[in-house]
This record gives sequence, structure tokens and C-alpha cells, in this order.
Amino acid sequence: DVKVTQSSRYLVKRTGEKVFLECVQDMDHENMFWYRQDPGLGLRLIYFSYDVKMKEKGDIPEGYSVSREKKERFSLILESASTNQTSMYLCASSLWLSGANVLTFGAGSRLTVL
Amino acid sequence: RKEVEQDPGPFNVPEGATVAFNCTYSNSASQSFFWYRQDCRKEPKLLMSVYSSGNEDGRFTAQLNRASQYISLLIRDSKLSDSATYLCVVNMPDNQFYFGTGTSLTVIP
Repeated sequence: DVKVTQSSRYLVKRTGEKVFLECVQDMDHENMFWYRQDPGLGLRLIYFSYDVKMKEKGDIPEGYSVSREKKERFSLILESASTNQTSMYLCASSLWLSGANVLTFGAGSRLTVL
Repeated sequence: RKEVEQDPGPFNVPEGATVAFNCTYSNSASQSFFWYRQDCRKEPKLLMSVYSSGNEDGRFTAQLNRASQYISLLIRDSKLSDSATYLCVVNMPDNQFYFGTGTSLTVIP
């Protein structure tokens, strides 16, 4: 089974702090994604990457950046955390399986910004 | 207009009931379709892919109607453990995924 590991399950940070969310997948997937999930808004795409050192903006990239220096690792960075970035952050990677592109999520990182 | 729309529910059904969820998508170029299950405060997990001919996995049946651009999930003989949020997910040719906001199901003893 594919494993997508997010390093921190729960974080509490203060406004203005820099926050790193790490994500590692163990199946050599090329496609990796960062989403945030908020009640009533569903999952929204922040950034994605199709290859090492490659990154593309999703629907809500403002206030975030990403890094993909190695294929297995995709990091999300909040340069200066704000209270409206309090959310559940979900990392995912995808693989073509039986003719379908299947998405696997990490366990999520629940961030609270005070 | 949202790419994927679902009735958010909540659906409250007794044990043993049959319940169906529908999901519509706006882009006819959509190529792969899935149902994910998400438990409270957990990540979404793949329940089943949805194939053009329809497919079944135990008590769960998924169907795709490309002409009308909707997919459905039928759960028969509902169990308490089926209580969760069910997400409709659509994959586009550009490798992007689009999500419904989820349908909440509670199975009542």
C-alpha cells in the first residue's frame, strides 16, 4: 500500500511565525498535492507538483510556498502564519492504477494559528 | 459554478436501510471518478473507483452516467460503521482532482 506520511498531526503556532509542513511518500509517485480542508468549503488545492523541483499554483496559493527537492518529499511553507490559515492540511500523491489516477492522502496536519 | 456538486445532507438512516448519494460534475472531459470515505477528523480514504459499466463491492454499488454527468453511490443494509462523510472525486485529463463538499451519513441504531 502507498504510504503518505505527514510529519506533524497537530501544530499550534503564533501569528507571524514561519511554519513547515512536511510530507513524504514511499511509492515513487511523481504527482504530489497540498490541500486545505475547511468546514463547508471542502478541499481546496494550494499547490501541486508533477516532478522534482517543479511546482504549480493551485486555487489558493496566496500565503503559501512549496518545495520539492526530492521526489518523495513535498513541503508546504507558511512564510508568516495568519489566523485565517488555521485549517486541516492534507498532503496527497497520485498513481495511475487500473486505468485510473488514484489519489492517496496523508493523515493530515491540523494547524491552529493564534 | 462548482466543478463537482453533492448534496451535503445530512442523511440520517436506520440500520439496515438502503441509502443513495448522487454527485454531478460539470466538465464532460472528466476521465476518472471515485468515492472516498472520510471519518471525523481523519483523512479521506478511497472507498471505490467508479467505472463506466458500474461496479459493486459488497454492499456498495457505484454507477456513472456520462450522458447526464453524474455518479452515484448506493449503500445497502447500512451498518453503524458506515457513518462518515462520503466525498465524490473527479479526475481531469490535466491530472487535477475536483472534490464535492461531501455528504454526511449517520446510521442510527
